[in-house]
Order: sequence, then C-alpha cells, then structure tokens
Amino acid sequence: KQEVTQIPAALSVPEGENLVLNCSFTDSAIYNLQWFRQDPGKGLTSLLLIQSSQREQTSGRLNASLDKSSGRSTLYIAASQPGDSATYLCAVRRAGANNLFFGTGTRLTVIP
Amino acid sequence: AAGVIQSPRHLIKEKRETATLKCYPIPRHDTVYWYQQGPGQDPQFLISFYEKMQSDKGSIPDRFSAQQFSDYHSELNMSSLELGDSALYFCASSLASRPNYGYTFGSGTRLTVV
Repeated sequence: KQEVTQIPAALSVPEGENLVLNCSFTDSAIYNLQWFRQDPGKGLTSLLLIQSSQREQTSGRLNASLDKSSGRSTLYIAASQPGDSATYLCAVRRAGANNLFFGTGTRLTVIP
Repeated sequence: AAGVIQSPRHLIKEKRETATLKCYPIPRHDTVYWYQQGPGQDPQFLISFYEKMQSDKGSIPDRFSAQQFSDYHSELNMSSLELGDSALYFCASSLASRPNYGYTFGSGTRLTVV
C-alpha cells in the first residue's frame, strides 16, 4: 500500500521568507504527483501536477520537484505572503490505479 | 471555466438517518471519485466510477453506496448515519484519456451527524 508522509506537520514563517515543504512516498511506481492547497474547511485547489517522467514544475512563486527513485517531492514557495497560509497536501497517483493517496499535510502560517 | 459542483454545501443529519450527496463533474470528464476527510485528517478514498461503472473501491463502509448516472453526475448515498460519519466529503473528476491533466476537486459537502 502506498503511504505518503509530509514533513513538517506545521510551519510558521515570517512574511517574505522562502520555504520548502516535503513529501515522501513509499512506492516509487507512481503515475504522477499533485500538490494541493486547502484553506480551513474548504475544498482542495490544485497547485502543481508533476508526471512521473518529469523532474519539476513551476507556477509563479511555486516550484515542485520530484525524485521518483528516492520517493520524494518538494514544494518550494518563494517570497511567502500571508495569503499563502493554508494546509498544503501532496497526493500520489499509483501506477495502474486511478485514485490518489494523500499525505498528512503541512499547515503553513505566514506571519505578516 | 466550469468546476466540479457538489451539493449540498452543508448538511446536518441525526444518527440513523440517511443522506444523499451529489456531484456534478466537469463537462466531458468521465471519471468521478469520492473522498472522505475527517477533522484533522487527510482525504481518504471511498469509491470511483468510470463511464457509469464502479472502477475502484476504497474504504467505503457497507452502509454507503454510490452510483454514476447517464449524465455522469454521481450520488453518494449514506444510510444509518453514525456520529463518526461527520466529515467533509469531496468529489473529484478527471478525464481517463488525459491522465496527465490530474484531478479537479469540488468544494466539498460538510456533513454533520448529531
């Protein structure tokens, strides 16, 4: 069974700092990996999707990397803003399966 | 752009009652997924449908059932509700022929069982 872990569970940074969120998965036979943002009590907003053949994806201040062989992905957020405060979830789609396996999430707080 | 629509947004039910949650996928998406997210938990996969047939089954209790209709919308039926069923229920959709597009999630239905 695919297990997805995110470290740290919570992170607090001052505004303007660059930060890295980590995601690890146990089964490297994945199809793709997706990073989501979730505001309290709200839905999941897709941030970045990385295919298993890709090494990284960028969108604005966000950059996600993938090292499939070591079972790791990172989400880099540049110049953090208070509006970035949310829970960030990574989710892995296993090869040959349709459903996503979610990590436990990292709750980010950006302090003005 | 059209997104995944879920209804209702909020639902309060008593123990042992039944509830029906609805999901309308993005137009032309043929696959629908249901997830359950308990308080402080990560989303757990319940069940999925492709072209109106069940495609995968996760940790869905026997008290729950779901189906996908001819217009591709899906309904999650929950019976004999228990307090532990209180959670945020998400629906997601995707296009099977475009797996590299990923999944799009709805805003969720918050079910509270009292």
